[in-house]
Amino acid sequence: EVQLVQSGAEVKKPGESLRISCKGSGYSFTSQWIGWVRQMPGKGLEWMGMIYTSDSDTRYSPSFQGQVIISADKSITTAYLQWSSLKASDTAMYYCARSSVGGRWFDPWGQGTLVTVSS
Amino acid sequence: QSVLTQPPSVSAAPGQKVTISCSGSSSNIGNNYVSWYQQLPGTAPKLLIYDNNNRRSGIPDRFSGSKSGTTATLAITGLQTGDEADYYCGTWDSSLSAGVFGGGTKLTVL
Repeated sequence: EVQLVQSGAEVKKPGESLRISCKGSGYSFTSQWIGWVRQMPGKGLEWMGMIYTSDSDTRYSPSFQGQVIISADKSITTAYLQWSSLKASDTAMYYCARSSVGGRWFDPWGQGTLVTVSS
Repeated sequence: QSVLTQPPSVSAAPGQKVTISCSGSSSNIGNNYVSWYQQLPGTAPKLLIYDNNNRRSGIPDRFSGSKSGTTATLAITGLQTGDEADYYCGTWDSSLSAGVFGGGTKLTVL
């Protein structure tokens, strides 16, 4: 079974750094793209970016370029989303999902990681 | 403001049919494949339709997708109370060189 399992919920203070993870299993991790999607409380889905886990080729939405870093460690079939300095507005649910070439679809999705940033 | 435009909400009675539109432009829907996702309350989104009109394995044939020009449509027939969810369209935007989603449509089965 193809599965993506994300790290647990995080509570952080503004200005702190954070890295959340997404571990893939049940498929050839290194021949696929992994994407990240943000969902702010009560809001819709926002496409953040994606990474090709074989060579770490990364694409970012203009809205998130420079705000986050997407990376991957293919040796442990894990992708990451990280922030160097969190803001309260980063409070959201973050999903990872396997993506097709060209971002045509996302399937399956991870269970989500809730990030809360509050002083 | 989302790049793709969906109606905020739609509703219909059990057993009826509903359609959800997703309107874009030539830089996204007009020249790229569209996918549709269902998000049940409190859960992660799930792929329903990919490449405009292909049902993901395991998705009932009550769900169908189509595309014409710069508008994609999700149709759901034989509505069930379990279909109450938020539905999102998604595609690639060649101008942004990034993926985009619609704002989402809340389906209520009356």
